[in-house]
Amino acid sequence: DIVMTQSPDSLAVSLGETATINCKSSQSVLYSSNNKNSLAWYQQKPGQPPKVLIYWASTRESGVPDRFSGSGSGTDFTLTISSLQAEDVAVYYCQQYYSTPYTFGQGTKLEIK
Amino acid sequence: EVQLVESGGGLIQPGGSLRLSCAASGFTVSSNHMSWVRQAPGKGLEWVSVIYSGGATYYADSVKGRFTISRDNSKNTMYVQMNSLRADDTALYYCARDGGYDGSGDRLHLFRYWGQGTPVTVSS
Repeated sequence: DIVMTQSPDSLAVSLGETATINCKSSQSVLYSSNNKNSLAWYQQKPGQPPKVLIYWASTRESGVPDRFSGSGSGTDFTLTISSLQAEDVAVYYCQQYYSTPYTFGQGTKLEIK
Repeated sequence: EVQLVESGGGLIQPGGSLRLSCAASGFTVSSNHMSWVRQAPGKGLEWVSVIYSGGATYYADSVKGRFTISRDNSKNTMYVQMNSLRADDTALYYCARDGGYDGSGDRLHLFRYWGQGTPVTVSS
């Protein structure tokens, strides 16, 4: 199974600043057939199901603000939230869809400082 | 509009069985990859099972042999039969649909659409 490890577990960032969340997979999630990384990022707010923000490690989902960006390849990935806004308070998860069992990181709780 | 509505959750004693349903609208269940994902109280997300459009099924090790995923094409509904339930199966169970194909024709095996979840509590 591919283990996904996020860091940090929680972070507090001031409004307007940049939040950075890291995700590391225990093995590469890069598909050789299409040269794409099978890595997604989700945002989950209290009482709501998760929402896809990023897929293929760096492709923004339709309707997601451009202050959300994803980067990385192979086993190391980053979600960057620039110009942090109050509505960005949530738990963020990375997930690999390279192979079953599909696995999530443990989550990173983002708060406002 | 894509909608997923879960039902069937509740309080069940250890060792008992439950069947959860996920009624879909706005798309055809049998043409998409459908999953169950659960979230224990205050915890993270755990993928449980998937049924691919072609019918193949896969399970997390934690539920293999106890849970069975299925679908009824005539009702456009997905199910999970959960047997031999344990306390650590207590969670909010979400059904989720994959992302279909991207602009390049590659399948997105992520979870783009989610229901609101149905709670399952396993306790005596």
